[in-house]
Amino acid sequence: DAMVIQNPRYQVTQFGKPVTLSCSQTLNHNVMYWYQQKSSQAPKLLFHYYDKDFNNEADTPDNFQSRRPNTSFCFLDIRSPGLGDAAMYLCATSRVPRQDYTDTQYFGPGTRLTVL
Amino acid sequence: KQEVTQIPAALSVPEGENLVLNCSFTDSAIYNLQWFRQDPGKGLTSLLLIQSSQREQTSGRLNASLDKSSGRSTLYIAASQPGDSATYLCAVSLFTGGGNKLTFGTGTQLKVEL
Repeated sequence: DAMVIQNPRYQVTQFGKPVTLSCSQTLNHNVMYWYQQKSSQAPKLLFHYYDKDFNNEADTPDNFQSRRPNTSFCFLDIRSPGLGDAAMYLCATSRVPRQDYTDTQYFGPGTRLTVL
Repeated sequence: KQEVTQIPAALSVPEGENLVLNCSFTDSAIYNLQWFRQDPGKGLTSLLLIQSSQREQTSGRLNASLDKSSGRSTLYIAASQPGDSATYLCAVSLFTGGGNKLTFGTGTQLKVEL
């Protein structure tokens, strides 16, 4: 089945130790998104890629970076995780939206990040 | 800045009851509105998507309505079942040429009891 896969499902890192989260998709969608969801909060968009074009949200901390080496894969790098970065990180994909049709975003199962 | 509010934050109902979840948003210039389901510790599953030009969408026991002018949407669940227990999130979409940016509400946590 076509899907969005995130690895690992659970990640534990130490304060300040860089960590990379992975997302892959078999839907061949042009757009990939990264969201951060803290406990009991709404998911918050960090950034998204339209093909190789990177779009950063204005309030995304510089500590968060992303790479998209090809259509299928996208990575979230947290350069120096702090305790406040502990959260569920959700990857999503969609087709390119057009004025004449709409499409949902397809979400992966998420990676729960713990910072010790 | 778009803000999305969901009421109630939590809801517990007996099995078989019909129920309504509410979502409101501050900026009516939306591209579409979506309802998602999230099970504990899991990702999001899309339930219904309503385009800005539409008034409602139905899927099985679910019906979602949209009143863009008043900034409101409701999700109606008929004949609730224990398997419906989850957190329900609504999200409004801002169209950009390069993506579909979603702003989420904080969700309604639903528990359907036997």
